[in-house]
Amino acid sequence: AQKVTQAQTEISVVEKEDVTLDCVYETRDTTYYLFWYKQPPSGELVFLIRRNSFDEQNEISGRYSWNFQKSTSSFNFTITASQVVDSAVYFCALHTGGFKTIFGAGTRLFVKA
Amino acid sequence: GAGVSQTPSNKVTEKGKYVELRCDPISGHTALYWYRQSLGQGPEFLIYFQGTGAADDSGLPNDRFFAVRPEGSVSTLKIQRTERGDSAVYLCASSLDGVLPNEQFFGPGTRLTVL
Repeated sequence: AQKVTQAQTEISVVEKEDVTLDCVYETRDTTYYLFWYKQPPSGELVFLIRRNSFDEQNEISGRYSWNFQKSTSSFNFTITASQVVDSAVYFCALHTGGFKTIFGAGTRLFVKA
Repeated sequence: GAGVSQTPSNKVTEKGKYVELRCDPISGHTALYWYRQSLGQGPEFLIYFQGTGAADDSGLPNDRFFAVRPEGSVSTLKIQRTERGDSAVYLCASSLDGVLPNEQFFGPGTRLTVL
C-alpha cells in the first residue's frame, strides 16, 4: 500500500520563527518520487520540490530546506525565519510506479505577524 | 505564458443532473491529470492522460465519471447523475510529459456543489 501521512493538521507560529512540517510515506517500491506543494489562500497548488528515492541529499533553497531520510521514510520540510506570506496549506506527495500521485492530507500553516 | 485554466470556476447543480468540467492545460504539456479535493483533504487522483489516451483511470470512483481529451489538449471531466457526495473542488494539472513524474502545474479548480 502507498500512503502519505502528514500528522500535523495545523501549525501556528509567529513571524521569524523556524517551522518544520513533517511527512511520512509508505511504499514497497524501491523507485519513487516525493514532492512538496504549497496551496496558498488563492487556491492553486504550487510545486516546491521533487526528490527521487536514490537521492538522499538534503536540499536548501533560500529559506526552505528539505530533509529526506529513507531509514525513517520521512521527507520533512523546514521554513527558516517564517514570514506571513508563508501562510498556506502544504502538501507532501508520493509518486511510485505508474502515473498516480498520492497526496497527504496537508498541513495548514499560520504565520502571525 | 498562460497557466492551466479551468471552467467554470463554480458550478451548482441539482442531484441527478449531468455536468461537464473543462480543463485547458499549458500549451505543449502532453500529460494531464484530474484530481478531486474535498474540504480539509489533499487532492485525490482521478485520471491521467498522456496525449489523447487515458493511461490510468483507476481513480475514477464509479462509472458515472468519465473524462476525454480528444485532441490531446483540452480535457473534459463528465459526471452523470450527480450525487451530493460528488461536491468537491475538481482540480486539473498538466506537466511536460508523464515519462517521469515531473512538476505538475495546477489550475484554480472548479468548485462543484450538488444540491
